[in-house]
Amino acid sequence: GQQVMQIPQYQHVQEGEDFTTYCNSSTTLSNIQWYKQRPGGHPVFLIQLVKSGEVKKQKRLTFQFGEAKKNSSLHITATQTTDVGTYFCAGWSGGATNKLIFGTGTLLAVQP
Amino acid sequence: NAGVTQTPKFRILKIGQSMTLQCTQDMNHNYMYWYRQDPGMGLKLIYYSVGAGITDKGEVPNGYNVSRSTTEDFPLRLELAAPSQTSVYFCASSYSADRPTYEQYFGPGTRLTVT
Repeated sequence: GQQVMQIPQYQHVQEGEDFTTYCNSSTTLSNIQWYKQRPGGHPVFLIQLVKSGEVKKQKRLTFQFGEAKKNSSLHITATQTTDVGTYFCAGWSGGATNKLIFGTGTLLAVQP
Repeated sequence: NAGVTQTPKFRILKIGQSMTLQCTQDMNHNYMYWYRQDPGMGLKLIYYSVGAGITDKGEVPNGYNVSRSTTEDFPLRLELAAPSQTSVYFCASSYSADRPTYEQYFGPGTRLTVT
């Protein structure tokens, strides 16, 4: 079945450092979504990418969808303590169902 | 709008007991989902529904049952609880997808411990 893997599983940074998490799918995706889950909280939608090679920015966050639509990345510039949490990618391979396959997640810890 | 609400927030069950996790959304979303999240892990889809009266299995349906009699409600039933079902359960909803999928809105979760 379809699998979505993320690396790294955990990243610890000093506040102000950059951070990147990578998402890789075993199959081609129609689109990819990114979610953030604060410790003890629930996943919250950040963004969706649909087009091959698409790049979107939200303030300090940059999201990219690979040319082959099998991988994606999230880059945070100059991390802040408010960035702490687990970042999940979720891919949809298309078809009649609306099932997202969530990645394994990357836990980001930011030291002040 | 309250969004997606879940009850209870916490529950401790003994092995073999049964319970129903409640989920309600007030956004008129057709699609609803149940996920489980084990400590330090990602989300696994248990069941989903594309509309009232229609449900289908996800990745890990064994030990669970669902029903969808209304657009708003999507309860998850655990029969004969086992320690392996200790997890955090999230309900989510989204708009119907006749085009690339919309974002999912998650409830606050139910933390279940089976001992």
